[in-house]
Amino acid sequence: NAGVTQTPKFRILKIGQSMTLQCTQDMNHNYMYWYRQDPGMGLKLIYYSVGAGITDKGEVPNGYNVSRSTTEDFPLRLELAAPSQTSVYFCASTYLGAPYNEQFFGPGTRLTVL
Amino acid sequence: KQEVTQIPAALSVPEGENLVLNCSFTDSAIYNLQWFRQDPGKGLTSLLLIQSSQREQTSGRLNASLDKSSGRSTLYIAASQPGDSATYLCAVVFLGKGQGGKLIFGQGTELSVKP
Repeated sequence: NAGVTQTPKFRILKIGQSMTLQCTQDMNHNYMYWYRQDPGMGLKLIYYSVGAGITDKGEVPNGYNVSRSTTEDFPLRLELAAPSQTSVYFCASTYLGAPYNEQFFGPGTRLTVL
Repeated sequence: KQEVTQIPAALSVPEGENLVLNCSFTDSAIYNLQWFRQDPGKGLTSLLLIQSSQREQTSGRLNASLDKSSGRSTLYIAASQPGDSATYLCAVVFLGKGQGGKLIFGQGTELSVKP
């Protein structure tokens, strides 16, 4: 299994541009998450999904959108990029409902907005 | 508010020393607690997962304990090595409606092990 994969690894955007961060997992996990990590800080939840077609906001959802059309994919969309969205973005997944629901993380996307 | 705190923010120890990293959380109603390691510029590597019904988990030189009643977890690293240098993150899944299994993270402890 590849686990959780994310693309791209790095990206520089200009203010006002938009982009989609891709996330795919091949572990048949039902729950998927998007977190962001600012320098020297822990991770904060942006959006999450409990299954295909179902998404919900996390702690810091403003400026982002998500969709979940399949079990495997959970893309994160940035519209009108702002410097405050400069961060490292991590996608994660788990199978909630099993005895153990360890979350597995992708390698991250490092985004800079100038 | 459900929060996770890690103290200290940074720790420097000589090689070979045994050390303890601390994590505290504000609500004892948790589903589980997970310890991660993060190397500079890299992603998160899961080290140990403790379910709410467990008191500790061990993997090699690592031992994580959980005391829900006091809202604390510790990560014990035995015989530290320079390769253990990294940031260690503690994260909790709290129980409750609408939590969605999300992790609440502490700010991390940056560990440096000197040769």
